[in-house]
Amino acid sequence: DTAVSQTPKYLVTQMGNDKSIKCEQNLGHDTMYWYKQDSKKFLKIMFSYNNKELIINETVPNRFSPKSPDKAHLNLHINSLELGDSAVYFCASSPTSGGAKETQYFGPGTRLLVL
Amino acid sequence: GENVGLHLPTLSVQEGDNSIINCAYSNSASDYFIWYKQESGKGPQFIIDIRSNMDKRQGQRVTVLLNKTVKHLSLQIAATQPGDSAVYFCAENLYGNQFYFGTGTSLTVIP
Repeated sequence: DTAVSQTPKYLVTQMGNDKSIKCEQNLGHDTMYWYKQDSKKFLKIMFSYNNKELIINETVPNRFSPKSPDKAHLNLHINSLELGDSAVYFCASSPTSGGAKETQYFGPGTRLLVL
Repeated sequence: GENVGLHLPTLSVQEGDNSIINCAYSNSASDYFIWYKQESGKGPQFIIDIRSNMDKRQGQRVTVLLNKTVKHLSLQIAATQPGDSAVYFCAENLYGNQFYFGTGTSLTVIP
């Protein structure tokens, strides 16, 4: 069984479109994250949700809006896509809440290409 | 974010040799570090972690060394195998569950 899953795996779209990426974890974890990995493999956190509540919101354009319908799901909606949004987006989760220092489990990534 | 950098972007080693991947971090208050392995087309995978109250931790074929004096972290892989070929990231944690990742080192194992 896949622990952290993302859909779609690949997403090719035109500039200006709106798209969503979905993430689900079946680990029973309390915290979920979205990361962006650029073409140079640099991995940067975007958002963190704990029990459906936003914890971390790095400097990300407000075109990006995370939504957590329940603690097992964290979706990422992107409005008015731009060329610079092309990247690999990773979802991750970690077991507990309350700022515990612990490892994160990553999904397989969604490869977004904006044309 | 924090500056977590790696000294070498690429590393090639012969199969069976030991590999050493280095990482420099910038915040002396960071107190938890993780090494991740990312294979092509996959997400990062946990390898080993270390807290700042330790200077060495060993796992299966891997050892992490932490030198807080110079803010340096290294990952040693013993008897490197072709399956070890991947990009390796160090990540530092200062507070909560927010990690800052380095740019990665690409390890290639030559058969």
